[in-house]
Amino acid sequence: EVQLVESGGGLVKPGGSLRLSCAASGFTFSSYSMNWVRQAPGKGLEWVSSISSSSSYIYYADSVKGRFTISRDNAKNSLYLQMNSLRAEDTAVYYCARGLGPAAATYYFDYWGQGTLVTVSS
Amino acid sequence: DIVMTQSPDSLAVSLGERATINCKSSQSVLYSSNNKNYLAWYQQKPGQPPKLLIYWASTRESGVPDRFSGSGSGTDFTLTISSLQAEDVAVYYCQQYYSTLTFGQGTRLEIK
Repeated sequence: EVQLVESGGGLVKPGGSLRLSCAASGFTFSSYSMNWVRQAPGKGLEWVSSISSSSSYIYYADSVKGRFTISRDNAKNSLYLQMNSLRAEDTAVYYCARGLGPAAATYYFDYWGQGTLVTVSS
Repeated sequence: DIVMTQSPDSLAVSLGERATINCKSSQSVLYSSNNKNYLAWYQQKPGQPPKLLIYWASTRESGVPDRFSGSGSGTDFTLTISSLQAEDVAVYYCQQYYSTLTFGQGTRLEIK
């Protein structure tokens, strides 16, 4: 059974940093692209970042480019999101999602974790 | 970026009746080289992550009931639930994966 379990969320002050993790199991992690998608409270879904299976291709939404860094460790079946210079508008549930698609950056998401809440507030 | 616009924003349908949700993209998501529409649909129930229903605009994900179907091409797409069940109450999102990934704003489906 595919499982994605996020951790690392919490309350952080504006300008602060946080590192999210996603532990994957039940599939060959190194064969799939992985992604972060967020959802602000009561709002819709927003794609944040994608990383290809071997980390060769990395993409970011304009809203987080230069502040967030996605990475993965295929030996540990883990995905990460380093979030720096956090802003109030980054407050959201952050989901880890497995990506499928014909080419880099053309992904839809077939499995999602339960999400971890990040709150940016003073 | 491609803007995805869903209609309506909310919808109330009687049990057993048909529900139709529309999704329009600001530019075509049909890739000419493979004749595929890069469009997916998701269902999100309260307190849960989204669940993939449909990809390639009309391919049902494994395990998804056949009352769910997707149609359309180019810029106009539709998710249809042929006979609404109580467990279908949720917010539905379309997503294009033709270019920088974007989602529609969501359509809330309720029971009338």
